[in-house]
Amino acid sequence: KAGVTQTPRYLIKTRGQQVTLSCSPISGHRSVSWYQQTPGQGLQFLFEYFSETQRNKGNFPGRFSGRQFSNSRSEMNVSTLELGDSALYLCASSLTGDHTEAFFGQGTRLTVV
Amino acid sequence: DQQVKQNSPSLSVQEGRISILNCDYTNSMFDYFLWYKKYPAEGPTFLISISSIKDKNEDGRFTVFLNKSAKHLSLHIVPSQPGDSAVYFCAASFYTNAGKSTFGDGTTLTVKP
Repeated sequence: KAGVTQTPRYLIKTRGQQVTLSCSPISGHRSVSWYQQTPGQGLQFLFEYFSETQRNKGNFPGRFSGRQFSNSRSEMNVSTLELGDSALYLCASSLTGDHTEAFFGQGTRLTVV
Repeated sequence: DQQVKQNSPSLSVQEGRISILNCDYTNSMFDYFLWYKKYPAEGPTFLISISSIKDKNEDGRFTVFLNKSAKHLSLHIVPSQPGDSAVYFCAASFYTNAGKSTFGDGTTLTVKP
């Protein structure tokens, strides 16, 4: 069974640009959560989507947004990129949102220059 | 204000000995706690969890202890094996809202042969 797939794996953008990251969950999983990992900040929760609806949201500015499609694939968008947005972005999929059953992708490494 | 803290960024133990990883939290409303393991270039994988109605949960070589009054949890690995070398994250959430977890910064465990 295929795991969680995140694309692209690596990305370099310049300040002010926008970026879209993609996450394909495990087949049948309806919950997709997004996290930002930076040195010294650990994993910070961005948002969770369940059945195409945003169910939970972390404390990130409105420049960070996401959506989920009917096939449960999710995209995360960051507009007006800042240097501090450089991070590893991880998504996790699960059937219901219960993280005891969550599977993480390998992440997308975003570098903003 | 970081709600979940892992104060030891790294830990080194000898193979066969016990590894103890610690985690503190500040929000007494958290009622569900999880540990994840992360190898380089991979996403975190769920390891073990505990709900606030328990003070101990065991799964093979891994045991998690919860001290609610101290807002402290720990992960014990006995005996430690070289393959346990990884970054360990603790996370806290609300049982009714498991899709939104707050993570610590992680502790890098190195088990020496």
